[in-house]
Amino acid sequence: DGGITQSPKYLFRKEGQNVTLSCEQNLNHDAMYWYRQDPGQGLRLIYYSQIVNDFQKGDIAEGYSVSREKKESFPLTVTSAQKNPTAFYLCASRVSGTSGGATRFTGELFFGEGSRLTVL
Amino acid sequence: GENVEQHPSTLSVQEGDSAVIKCTYSDSASNYFPWYKQELGKRPQLIIDIRSNVGEKKDQRIAVTLNKTAKHFSLHITETQPEDSAVYFCAASMSFGNEKLTFGTGTRLTIIP
Repeated sequence: DGGITQSPKYLFRKEGQNVTLSCEQNLNHDAMYWYRQDPGQGLRLIYYSQIVNDFQKGDIAEGYSVSREKKESFPLTVTSAQKNPTAFYLCASRVSGTSGGATRFTGELFFGEGSRLTVL
Repeated sequence: GENVEQHPSTLSVQEGDSAVIKCTYSDSASNYFPWYKQELGKRPQLIIDIRSNVGEKKDQRIAVTLNKTAKHFSLHITETQPEDSAVYFCAASMSFGNEKLTFGTGTRLTIIP
């Protein structure tokens, strides 16, 4: 059964602690993304990765870090430097293709079920 | 960068009536406009998308219209049903060459039985 799996679903953390959210996909997608969802603010891009061992900052990368050592996995670490980490985090992946020798991205984002992080 | 505004933030309609959600975007180079539906406690899922070479696209009770001159696009849901209750997000990007999909702030649609 193909899809994207995020874990844990709920996570509590004390201030000053780092926490890592897991995202695994078996859709054979090259591109993976992390979004943050806050009430009234839509989905904001934290980091994205086009290929293994490469990733770029999104619009709100400060206080977060990622790695992409395997195609299937794109973990997100919320560091103690993130001022307001309590949020719902969504991982997504997307089909990519090649056009003119460069990687392009098409169509639908497939989302995981999300991880809700609460800082106590 | 791209900025997407979405209105209204909440919308309540009687079952069977139509619902319209509107979005505007800022980057005239954007040419791909998807809509995602997020039911309570679930993941967002694509329900319809439109590319800039067409002005309207329909899929059963759902339609999206695009006005590139005015830089706005809308989602239309006809004959609404209780299962249409959800949060809807519009988004915009260049379909190729731009990995960033910019989302609107969402509309919470409630269908009143």
